[in-house]
Amino acid sequence: QKEVEQNSGPLSVPEGAIASLNCTYSDRVSQSFFWYRQYSGKSPELIMSIYSNGDKEDGRFTAQLNKASQYVSLLIRDSQPSDSATYLCAGYTGANSKLTFGKGITLSVRP
Amino acid sequence: GAGVSQSPSNKVTEKGKDVELRCDPISGHTALYWYRQSLGQGLEFLIYFQGNSAPDKSGLPSDRFSAERTGGSVSTLTIQRTQQEDSAVYLCASSASGGSNQPQHFGDGTRLSIL
Repeated sequence: QKEVEQNSGPLSVPEGAIASLNCTYSDRVSQSFFWYRQYSGKSPELIMSIYSNGDKEDGRFTAQLNKASQYVSLLIRDSQPSDSATYLCAGYTGANSKLTFGKGITLSVRP
Repeated sequence: GAGVSQSPSNKVTEKGKDVELRCDPISGHTALYWYRQSLGQGLEFLIYFQGNSAPDKSGLPSDRFSAERTGGSVSTLTIQRTQQEDSAVYLCASSASGGSNQPQHFGDGTRLSIL
């Protein structure tokens, strides 16, 4: 298993719907996770951090961490066309704090 | 500045030339990272600096790549004898410390094109 995996996508949802983005991780990944949004041609932008089991909400975004099942997800409520981007899941691996990224999920929100 | 600053934003050079890419981290951030992102690909870790510790160079793809960080702040990534496969966006990130609970903040990147 890769350290951080994002296997689904691309994802297309209608405007106003809930977009659900998932990520799984291996035992080699520490228990801090980050979601980044990357617009085409731009650099990754941090949108959520989650460190403990359960849900963390910030505006229209909710990050969920399930340590027993080794997955982390990002829910985007009331999706907007401006949410169309690639979403990267990341977690730290290794003794020297290397942040490992998944391949990303491309989200398209249809007006 | 408020964020991570990288220069140049774009660099076009001929195969075989050397290039230097610069990164100025967020003020006060002790950890600095370099990544590479090829077209349509994920982020590839290159090198990590934390304070005065020896850098983690485990991601550098060949001995043509080197990086230094002077005075614990600005970093330069040098690619010698560039090859076409070096064409990519080179991203720099910084975090407040090197701990595994610290989010990293990215600069806008340098888009490197090797002709």
